[in-house]
Amino acid sequence: QTVVTQEPSLTVSPGGTVTLTCASSTGAVTSGFYPNWFQQKPGQAPKSLIYSTVNKHSWTPARFSGSLLGGKAALTLSGVQPEDEADYYCLLYYVGPQPWVFGGGTKLTVL
Amino acid sequence: EVQLVESGGGLVQPGRSLRLSCATSGFTFGDYTFNWVRQAPGMGLEWVGFTRRTVDGGTSEYAASVKGRFTISRDDSKSIAYLQMNSLKTEDTALYYCTRDLQWNMDVWGKGTTVIVSS
Repeated sequence: QTVVTQEPSLTVSPGGTVTLTCASSTGAVTSGFYPNWFQQKPGQAPKSLIYSTVNKHSWTPARFSGSLLGGKAALTLSGVQPEDEADYYCLLYYVGPQPWVFGGGTKLTVL
Repeated sequence: EVQLVESGGGLVQPGRSLRLSCATSGFTFGDYTFNWVRQAPGMGLEWVGFTRRTVDGGTSEYAASVKGRFTISRDDSKSIAYLQMNSLKTEDTALYYCTRDLQWNMDVWGKGTTVIVSS
């Protein structure tokens, strides 16, 4: 069974920079996994931030960026704002009968 | 305005069935694959399955945890996606979201509908 691993929790100071990562139990994550990143705040539905590794939506703040880093998908927040405190989930695509697998999520605290 | 609205959730006994609907508006339904994603209380997101576009065969794929019990379908004429859940288990208790997907991009999500499986 494929497992996608994220840091369970991270803490960052306002104005700081933090990188969240997303690893696959099958090996290095590449663009072919079409990494997606989602933000979820308490009581709200997930909100898409990044798709296909690096692509942003019109609503994605410029301080969010996606990349591949050391064999993992990565989400970097630069100039973190208090409102960025949330849970962040990555999603990877696999060729096969169970195409999509979510990571366990990262709880980001802004402190 | 693009909208996805889930409905059909509720309290159901183990072993029974429930059908969820995802009513959409504001875009061309047939252009998209539709996924169902669930979130158990206090837990993370779990992909449940999807139905491909009709032009791609309209076939579906499922997570191992629901395969054989859940069926996803679509009605392009009504712009609605469905999740038929049979043989429900207590571990199926969750908030169920519908999300549209175009080329590996799940950009818009509904607010979800709650399913509670309990005797």
